[in-house]
Amino acid sequence: NAGVMQNPRHLVRRRGQEARLRCSPMKGHSHVYWYRQLPEEGLKFMVYLQKENIIDESGMPKERFSAEFPKEGPSILRIQQVVRGDSAAYFCASSPMGVGEKLFFGSGTQLSVL
Amino acid sequence: AQKVTQAQTEISVVEKEDVTLDCVYETRDTTYYLFWYKQPPSGELVFLIRRNSFDEQNEISGRYSWNFQKSTSSFNFTITASQVVDSAVYFCALSEGYNTDKLIFGTGTRLQVFP
Repeated sequence: NAGVMQNPRHLVRRRGQEARLRCSPMKGHSHVYWYRQLPEEGLKFMVYLQKENIIDESGMPKERFSAEFPKEGPSILRIQQVVRGDSAAYFCASSPMGVGEKLFFGSGTQLSVL
Repeated sequence: AQKVTQAQTEISVVEKEDVTLDCVYETRDTTYYLFWYKQPPSGELVFLIRRNSFDEQNEISGRYSWNFQKSTSSFNFTITASQVVDSAVYFCALSEGYNTDKLIFGTGTRLQVFP
């Protein structure tokens, strides 16, 4: 039973480019969460999605960031026109039912913006 | 607002020593969950424990034990007879009420266990 799969593990972008991070939740999980870990900091919540719905995006920057979790396929976190400050580890987590459930995390995507 | 403080940035021990990782939290919620996650060098976060705010019983799982004290808002984690494989960053986290959608993480404690 595969865990939460994130790809790529490492992503390098130049300023102004777009970054797309993918997350496939564990089998049977329909709830996906994205967290960001800045250097020397703890993880910070960004967004919570269910299939085809954004439930809570209160932690997502208002501009340049978007997330989706389509009916088919992985969840995508998209960062447009990346800046150096976007360099961080982005973690995806999933749970089977949502509220009250423990979260299973992936290995993260390390985004480096040159 | 909720906050989790892990004051120990880095701890180094020699194998077989016991080590305690501290976690202090702040919340106005009367019901909440507390968590510990382990992040080994490979990067993924590994779930270790979830504790309900109403359950103050200490828990032991093999070499791991957790001491939850609501009176001091602490949820400390002890590894007995540490091993090299315990080397990792350990994160304490707090939920907003029973809503585990948004966990508030501490900054982590890096544990290095030397042979």
